[in-house]
Amino acid sequence: DGGITQSPKYLFRKEGQNVTLSCEQNLNHDAMYWYRQDPGQGLRLIYYSQIVNDFQKGDIAEGYSVSREKKESFPLTVTSAQKNPTAFYLCASSIEGASKDTQYFGPGTRLTVL
Amino acid sequence: QKEVEQNSGPLSVPEGAIASLNCTYSDRGSQSFFWYRQYSGKSPELIMFIYSNGDKEDGRFTAQLNKASQYVSLLIRDSQPSDSATYLCAVKGRGSTLGRLYFGRGTQLTVWP
Repeated sequence: DGGITQSPKYLFRKEGQNVTLSCEQNLNHDAMYWYRQDPGQGLRLIYYSQIVNDFQKGDIAEGYSVSREKKESFPLTVTSAQKNPTAFYLCASSIEGASKDTQYFGPGTRLTVL
Repeated sequence: QKEVEQNSGPLSVPEGAIASLNCTYSDRGSQSFFWYRQYSGKSPELIMFIYSNGDKEDGRFTAQLNKASQYVSLLIRDSQPSDSATYLCAVKGRGSTLGRLYFGRGTQLTVWP
């Protein structure tokens, strides 16, 4: 089955720890995205990548880091510098990030800081 | 910063009625518009996209776009309880931000039997 997988589904972190969220896609999409969603809020863009070995900051990149070493993988690290990381994290991908491209979402990872 | 505004709701309609969801956007040059449905605790799923002025129909869903008024809407005909969800409007960036989507906060819809 083609699709986007995110793991883990639930993640608990102690304050001061870095954690890495996984996002993998087998759709052969060039572009990948990370969003954060807080209760009652829309999606806010953290980072996006339109090609391997290149990525751009979104609107709320502080306290996060990413890498894009492979086309199918775009892991997100939530660092201890992120002051309020508890949220629902969504990964998405699209064919090439063009104007009429459609973004498709993975199932999400819910991160809770204890 | 591009703005996408939606009626926050919640919007409540009876089963069988037409639900109307509205969205306005700030960038007059925007070209591509998307509606996503998000059930509680789940990830967004694409319902429709629209690029041209006018109406686009897909089953019970109709997207309407008016670029002059910078307005896009989603109509759900014969609403069902299973349509109860949050609906997110998204606008594609252009130029240096081509590829990214700008999302509204979503409108929560409840369809009661």
